[in-house]
Amino acid sequence: DTGVSQNPRHKITKRGQNVTFRCDPISEHNRLYWYRQTLGQGPEFLTYFQNEAQLEKSRLLSDRFSAERPKGSFSTLEIQRTEQGDSAMYLCASTRQGNSTNEKLFFGSGTQLSVL
Amino acid sequence: GENVEQHPSTLSVQEGDSAVIKCTYSDSASNYFPWYKQELGKRPQLIIDIRSNVGEKKDQRIAVTLNKTAKHFSLHITETQPEDSAVYFCAASINFSGGYNKLIFGAGTRLAVHP
Repeated sequence: DTGVSQNPRHKITKRGQNVTFRCDPISEHNRLYWYRQTLGQGPEFLTYFQNEAQLEKSRLLSDRFSAERPKGSFSTLEIQRTEQGDSAMYLCASTRQGNSTNEKLFFGSGTQLSVL
Repeated sequence: GENVEQHPSTLSVQEGDSAVIKCTYSDSASNYFPWYKQELGKRPQLIIDIRSNVGEKKDQRIAVTLNKTAKHFSLHITETQPEDSAVYFCAASINFSGGYNKLIFGAGTRLAVHP
């Protein structure tokens, strides 16, 4: 499968613990996004990377959340001191920088986080 | 603010009937409107998209229409089949001066196609 890869697929943690998720985008894609999806809702934008630079961060993202893309390839999303409200599906998506500002966005299968 | 409204939230049709899902967006500068299909437990999959320089696009049984003046766009599925059953999300782009964009998604429509 040469699509966007995310791991783990599922993560169960206790409130107050830290968790880290990983995303491997499609290899030639330099643009990477993190979204969060709760049950019955559409994906909600969290943050955006162009190569290794984090260019956009949602105001909804608390300071407990941090994302990195150190070499412009894979990305990690860390949540510190998890809360039950953090329970959601965390989706990664990638696209290439083409001739248009808007290129097709491809999603990974997500990491389902459950905070007990 | 940035907002995409989608309706209906659920839609039930008989196999062979047509299904229509409608979305409205708030940012008049949005110029890209994709539709995603998400089956239970799977990733959102892009099924069709439309850019603001056209009013309609078709791909086999799927079509999308765009009315930029009214800021709404719709997904049309004809001759529905049970495998069309899924949650469908519309999205609109928010563009930034740096030449990149982000997508704002609607809340989704759960489509059920009954044999």
